[in-house]
Amino acid sequence: EDQVTQSPEALRLQEGESSSLNCSYTVSGLRGLFWYRQDPGKGPEFLFTLYSAGEEKEKERLKATLTKKESFLHITAPKPEDSATYLCAVGAEAGGTSYGKLTFGQGTILTVHP
Amino acid sequence: DTAVSQTPKYLVTQMGNDKSIKCEQNLGHDTMYWYKQDSKKFLKIMFSYNNKELIINETVPNRFSPKSPDKAHLNLHINSLELGDSAVYFCASSPRQGTEAFFGQGTRLTVV
Repeated sequence: EDQVTQSPEALRLQEGESSSLNCSYTVSGLRGLFWYRQDPGKGPEFLFTLYSAGEEKEKERLKATLTKKESFLHITAPKPEDSATYLCAVGAEAGGTSYGKLTFGQGTILTVHP
Repeated sequence: DTAVSQTPKYLVTQMGNDKSIKCEQNLGHDTMYWYKQDSKKFLKIMFSYNNKELIINETVPNRFSPKSPDKAHLNLHINSLELGDSAVYFCASSPRQGTEAFFGQGTRLTVV
């Protein structure tokens, strides 16, 4: 069965202190790896899709990268408004046991202090 | 102009009652889902529909019954509610199976 594991569970940063979040995955044929941001009381907000190893995507202070086994979400010079739970998910190719759904990790709670 | 909307946002009910949550997407997507988020924020798939056809039913009690009257709507009916059903339920949609999903704002269900 497909699995997604995120680390660390929680991360506290000072404003401006860059860091990375990790997402390790096993999937029977990766269709896409997805990053989401979730604020308290809201639904997950889509950030990026990565399709193949070596691919990178950027949005403001966030940069997502992908290898064959893991993805990283790099946060450069974070601000307090970047505080949220960051979720990683994988979608499988047709024919895979998980085709038709996204399998999520447990998330990383990021807190950025001013 | 909400892309994925679900109602109600909050639902408080007594054990044993029957309740429904409605979901609509205006993105023209083929695939819709119901996810359950527990107290530890873990998102677990419950059901997946593609073009109104049920394609995934993940070991969910028979008390939960989804219905998709058309491609843009996916409703969730829950019979005989139990305390353990308390959670946040999210509806989502994807352009196609296995692609990025867009989520509604969630329905916080509390069973007392």
